[in-house]
Amino acid sequence: KQEVTQIPAALSVPEGENLVLNCSFTDSAIYNLQWFRQDPGKGLTSLLLIQSSQREQTSGRLNASLDKSSGRSTLYIAASQPGDSATYLCASSSGGSYIPTFGRGTSLIVHP
Amino acid sequence: KAGVTQTPRYLIKTRGQQVTLSCSPISGHRSVSWYQQTPGQGLQFLFEYFSETQRNKGNFPGRFSGRQFSNSRSEMNVSTLELGDSALYLCASTVDLGETQYFGPGTRLLVL
Repeated sequence: KQEVTQIPAALSVPEGENLVLNCSFTDSAIYNLQWFRQDPGKGLTSLLLIQSSQREQTSGRLNASLDKSSGRSTLYIAASQPGDSATYLCASSSGGSYIPTFGRGTSLIVHP
Repeated sequence: KAGVTQTPRYLIKTRGQQVTLSCSPISGHRSVSWYQQTPGQGLQFLFEYFSETQRNKGNFPGRFSGRQFSNSRSEMNVSTLELGDSALYLCASTVDLGETQYFGPGTRLLVL
């Protein structure tokens, strides 16, 4: 059964800092890995989807990488802004279905 | 394109009652998944429907059920509500599993 872990659980950084969020998974035979953002009390917003055949995806200031052999994905946020404050979740699909397993998320605060 | 919509957004019920939540996916999306999100358990998969058929099911009791209509709209029903059913219920739509999931804003259910 896939298990997804995100460390750290919470992070507070000053505006402008580059930062890395980590996601690890136990089953390396994944189909894909997706990063989401969730604002308090809201639904999830898809940020990036990396298929198993890909090594990374980029969107604006965001870059996500995937290393299946080590069971890790990282989300890199460049030049962080207060508007980036949210909880970031990763989800990995593997096994017999494409149902994603979610991590518990990293709560990010970017202070001015 | 309109996003995923969920109704109602907030709901207060008492123990023993039943509740029905609705989800309208993005036009053209045939897969609809439902998740329960709580502070203690995080995001947990309930079930997934594709073309009116339940294709995948999570580890929840039979009090949780769902269905999908021919226009891909989906409903989930929880009977005999318990205090522990208080949660944010999220639905997500996608063209098919393995592709990017798009989440609705969620329905916040409070059971008293």
